[in-house]
Amino acid sequence: DAGVIQSPRHEVTEMGQEVTLRCKPISGHNSLFWYRQTMMRGLELLIYFNNNVPIDDSGMPEDRFSAKMPNASFSTLKIQPSEPRDSAVYFCASSFQGDEAFFGQGTRLTVV
Amino acid sequence: KQEVTQIPAALSVPEGENLVLNCSFTDSAIYNLQWFRQDPGKGLTSLLLIQSSQREQTSGRLNASLDKSSGRSTLYIAASQPGDSATYLCAVKLADSWGKLQFGAGTQVVVTP
Repeated sequence: DAGVIQSPRHEVTEMGQEVTLRCKPISGHNSLFWYRQTMMRGLELLIYFNNNVPIDDSGMPEDRFSAKMPNASFSTLKIQPSEPRDSAVYFCASSFQGDEAFFGQGTRLTVV
Repeated sequence: KQEVTQIPAALSVPEGENLVLNCSFTDSAIYNLQWFRQDPGKGLTSLLLIQSSQREQTSGRLNASLDKSSGRSTLYIAASQPGDSATYLCAVKLADSWGKLQFGAGTQVVVTP
Protein backbone atom coordinates (compact mmCIF):
# COMPACT_ATOMS: atom_id res chain seq x y z
CA ASP A 1 0.00 0.00 0.00
CA ALA A 2 1.20 3.54 -0.75
CA GLY A 3 0.25 4.77 2.69
CA VAL A 4 -1.86 7.83 3.43
CA ILE A 5 -1.68 10.21 0.49
CA GLN A 6 -2.18 13.94 0.87
CA SER A 7 -2.32 16.64 -1.74
CA PRO A 8 -1.06 19.17 -2.36
CA ARG A 9 2.25 18.93 -0.47
CA HIS A 10 2.59 22.69 -0.42
CA GLU A 11 0.01 25.42 -0.83
CA VAL A 12 0.55 29.15 -0.86
CA THR A 13 -2.56 31.28 -1.07
CA GLU A 14 -3.69 34.80 -0.46
CA MET A 15 -5.77 35.77 2.53
CA GLY A 16 -9.47 35.41 1.79
CA GLN A 17 -9.08 32.62 -0.74
CA GLU A 18 -10.60 29.18 -0.37
CA VAL A 19 -8.21 26.31 0.31
CA THR A 20 -8.99 22.62 -0.12
CA LEU A 21 -6.73 19.92 1.25
CA ARG A 22 -7.17 16.32 0.15
CA CYS A 23 -6.51 12.97 1.73
CA LYS A 24 -6.67 9.37 0.61
CA PRO A 25 -6.50 6.98 3.57
CA ILE A 26 -4.99 3.53 3.55
CA SER A 27 -7.33 1.06 1.90
CA GLY A 28 -9.35 -0.86 4.48
CA HIS A 29 -8.93 1.70 7.23
CA ASN A 30 -12.19 2.96 8.70
CA SER A 31 -11.00 5.87 10.85
CA LEU A 32 -9.63 9.12 9.42
CA PHE A 33 -8.17 12.06 11.29
CA TRP A 34 -7.20 15.61 10.37
CA TYR A 35 -4.47 17.22 12.49
CA ARG A 36 -2.80 20.61 12.38
CA GLN A 37 0.78 21.17 13.53
CA THR A 38 2.32 24.50 14.50
CA MET A 39 5.40 25.40 16.49
CA MET A 40 3.30 27.12 19.12
CA ARG A 41 0.57 24.53 19.65
CA GLY A 42 2.11 21.27 18.46
CA LEU A 43 -0.24 18.67 16.98
CA GLU A 44 -3.94 19.42 17.35
CA LEU A 45 -6.76 17.14 16.31
CA LEU A 46 -9.25 19.04 14.16
CA ILE A 47 -11.79 16.37 13.31
CA TYR A 48 -12.08 12.63 12.92
CA PHE A 49 -14.35 10.27 11.04
CA ASN A 50 -15.34 6.71 11.70
CA ASN A 51 -16.87 4.77 8.82
CA ASN A 52 -17.16 8.07 6.89
CA VAL A 53 -19.21 9.69 9.67
CA PRO A 54 -17.80 12.71 11.55
CA ILE A 55 -17.48 11.70 15.20
CA ASP A 56 -15.90 14.71 16.83
CA ASP A 57 -15.29 18.10 15.23
CA SER A 58 -14.71 19.98 18.46
CA GLY A 59 -11.15 20.74 17.37
CA MET A 60 -12.23 22.67 14.28
CA PRO A 61 -11.19 26.22 15.16
CA GLU A 62 -13.94 28.16 13.44
CA ASP A 63 -16.82 27.93 11.03
CA ARG A 64 -14.35 28.78 8.31
CA PHE A 65 -13.15 25.19 8.55
CA SER A 66 -15.15 22.28 7.19
CA ALA A 67 -14.37 18.65 6.43
CA LYS A 68 -16.09 15.97 4.43
CA MET A 69 -15.64 12.29 3.79
CA PRO A 70 -17.91 11.35 0.89
CA ASN A 71 -16.57 7.79 0.73
CA ALA A 72 -14.10 5.48 2.42
CA SER A 73 -11.22 6.48 0.16
CA PHE A 74 -11.37 10.26 0.16
CA SER A 75 -11.62 13.20 2.52
CA THR A 76 -11.28 16.96 2.18
CA LEU A 77 -10.54 19.77 4.60
CA LYS A 78 -11.66 23.16 3.39
CA ILE A 79 -10.84 26.61 4.75
CA GLN A 80 -12.97 29.47 3.48
CA PRO A 81 -11.94 32.24 3.75
CA SER A 82 -8.33 31.56 4.68
CA GLU A 83 -6.38 33.79 7.07
CA PRO A 84 -2.63 34.12 7.79
CA ARG A 85 -3.08 32.44 11.18
CA ASP A 86 -4.22 29.30 9.38
CA SER A 87 -0.65 28.81 8.16
CA ALA A 88 0.49 25.42 9.45
CA VAL A 89 1.18 21.87 8.39
CA TYR A 90 -2.00 19.85 8.06
CA PHE A 91 -1.78 16.10 8.46
CA CYS A 92 -4.22 13.38 7.62
CA ALA A 93 -4.01 10.01 9.37
CA SER A 94 -5.93 6.76 9.16
CA SER A 95 -6.32 3.61 11.20
CA PHE A 96 -8.38 0.46 11.37
CA GLN A 97 -10.74 0.13 14.32
CA GLY A 98 -8.80 2.78 16.22
CA ASP A 99 -5.55 0.81 16.25
CA GLU A 100 -2.16 1.88 14.88
CA ALA A 101 -2.46 5.26 13.17
CA PHE A 102 -0.54 6.06 9.99
CA PHE A 103 0.12 9.60 8.89
CA GLY A 104 0.47 11.21 5.50
CA GLN A 105 3.36 13.49 4.57
CA GLY A 106 1.30 16.58 5.30
CA THR A 107 0.32 19.73 3.45
CA ARG A 108 2.29 22.84 4.31
CA LEU A 109 -0.13 25.75 4.02
CA THR A 110 1.04 29.34 3.85
CA VAL A 111 -1.54 32.11 3.76
CA VAL A 112 -0.11 35.50 2.84
CA LYS B 1 -8.78 15.94 30.12
CA GLN B 2 -5.83 13.80 29.14
CA GLU B 3 -2.49 15.60 29.35
CA VAL B 4 0.60 14.06 27.73
CA THR B 5 4.05 15.32 28.72
CA GLN B 6 7.42 14.49 27.23
CA ILE B 7 10.61 15.26 29.09
CA PRO B 8 13.19 16.35 28.13
CA ALA B 9 12.17 18.64 25.28
CA ALA B 10 15.59 18.19 23.67
CA LEU B 11 18.44 15.73 24.03
CA SER B 12 21.92 15.48 22.53
CA VAL B 13 24.02 12.33 22.84
CA PRO B 14 27.20 11.01 21.21
CA GLU B 15 26.87 8.17 18.76
CA GLY B 16 26.75 4.75 20.42
CA GLU B 17 25.04 5.85 23.60
CA ASN B 18 21.61 4.50 24.52
CA LEU B 19 18.68 6.91 24.30
CA VAL B 20 15.96 7.07 26.93
CA LEU B 21 12.86 9.10 26.11
CA ASN B 22 10.07 9.63 28.59
CA CYS B 23 6.33 10.10 28.17
CA SER B 24 3.80 10.63 30.94
CA PHE B 25 0.01 10.85 30.81
CA THR B 26 -2.57 11.86 33.38
CA ASP B 27 -5.48 9.51 32.61
CA SER B 28 -4.60 5.82 32.93
CA ALA B 29 -7.75 4.70 31.09
CA ILE B 30 -5.95 4.38 27.78
CA TYR B 31 -6.63 2.03 24.89
CA ASN B 32 -3.07 2.11 23.58
CA LEU B 33 0.04 4.26 23.29
CA GLN B 34 1.98 4.92 20.11
CA TRP B 35 5.49 6.26 19.54
CA PHE B 36 6.25 8.21 16.40
CA ARG B 37 9.31 9.70 14.78
CA GLN B 38 9.22 12.95 12.80
CA ASP B 39 12.06 14.19 10.62
CA PRO B 40 12.20 17.92 9.77
CA GLY B 41 9.60 18.84 7.18
CA LYS B 42 8.23 15.32 7.06
CA GLY B 43 5.25 13.39 8.32
CA LEU B 44 5.05 11.15 11.36
CA THR B 45 6.38 7.62 11.11
CA SER B 46 4.91 5.05 13.48
CA LEU B 47 7.61 3.27 15.49
CA LEU B 48 5.83 1.16 18.07
CA LEU B 49 2.29 0.58 19.29
CA ILE B 50 1.69 -0.74 22.80
CA GLN B 51 -1.76 -1.98 23.70
CA SER B 52 -3.03 -1.19 27.19
CA SER B 53 -2.72 -4.87 28.15
CA GLN B 54 0.96 -4.99 27.19
CA ARG B 55 3.99 -4.01 29.27
CA GLU B 56 6.44 -3.56 26.43
CA GLN B 57 6.98 -3.77 22.70
CA THR B 58 10.22 -4.26 20.78
CA SER B 59 11.34 -3.60 17.23
CA GLY B 60 15.02 -3.92 16.39
CA ARG B 61 16.99 -1.43 18.48
CA LEU B 62 13.78 0.09 19.84
CA ASN B 63 12.02 -0.97 23.00
CA ALA B 64 9.03 0.75 24.54
CA SER B 65 7.63 0.05 27.99
CA LEU B 66 4.25 0.96 29.40
CA ASP B 67 3.22 1.36 33.03
CA LYS B 68 -0.44 2.32 32.94
CA SER B 69 -0.88 2.62 36.67
CA SER B 70 1.82 5.25 36.98
CA GLY B 71 0.95 6.89 33.66
CA ARG B 72 4.35 6.40 32.04
CA SER B 73 5.96 5.06 28.92
CA THR B 74 9.64 4.96 28.06
CA LEU B 75 11.21 4.55 24.64
CA TYR B 76 14.71 3.06 24.63
CA ILE B 77 16.90 3.27 21.56
CA ALA B 78 20.01 1.13 21.85
CA ALA B 79 23.38 2.09 20.38
CA SER B 80 22.23 5.38 18.89
CA GLN B 81 23.28 6.44 15.38
CA PRO B 82 23.31 9.87 13.68
CA GLY B 83 20.36 8.65 11.62
CA ASP B 84 18.31 8.47 14.81
CA SER B 85 18.35 12.26 14.99
CA ALA B 86 14.71 13.36 14.81
CA THR B 87 11.80 14.44 16.99
CA TYR B 88 10.09 11.60 18.85
CA LEU B 89 6.45 11.94 19.84
CA CYS B 90 4.26 9.79 22.00
CA ALA B 91 0.50 9.70 21.69
CA VAL B 92 -2.14 8.04 23.83
CA LYS B 93 -5.55 6.87 22.82
CA LEU B 94 -8.23 6.93 25.48
CA ALA B 95 -10.38 3.86 25.87
CA ASP B 96 -13.58 5.69 25.00
CA SER B 97 -12.30 8.11 22.38
CA TRP B 98 -13.09 6.37 19.09
CA GLY B 99 -9.43 6.37 18.15
CA LYS B 100 -8.60 9.97 19.03
CA LEU B 101 -4.87 10.43 19.75
CA GLN B 102 -3.58 12.92 22.31
CA PHE B 103 0.02 13.91 21.54
CA GLY B 104 2.90 15.07 23.67
CA ALA B 105 5.03 17.98 22.48
CA GLY B 106 7.90 15.68 21.51
CA THR B 107 11.57 15.24 22.35
CA GLN B 108 14.06 16.55 19.79
CA VAL B 109 17.04 14.20 19.61
CA VAL B 110 20.45 14.92 18.13
CA VAL B 111 23.00 12.12 17.87
CA THR B 112 26.48 13.47 17.21
CA PRO B 113 29.05 11.43 15.28
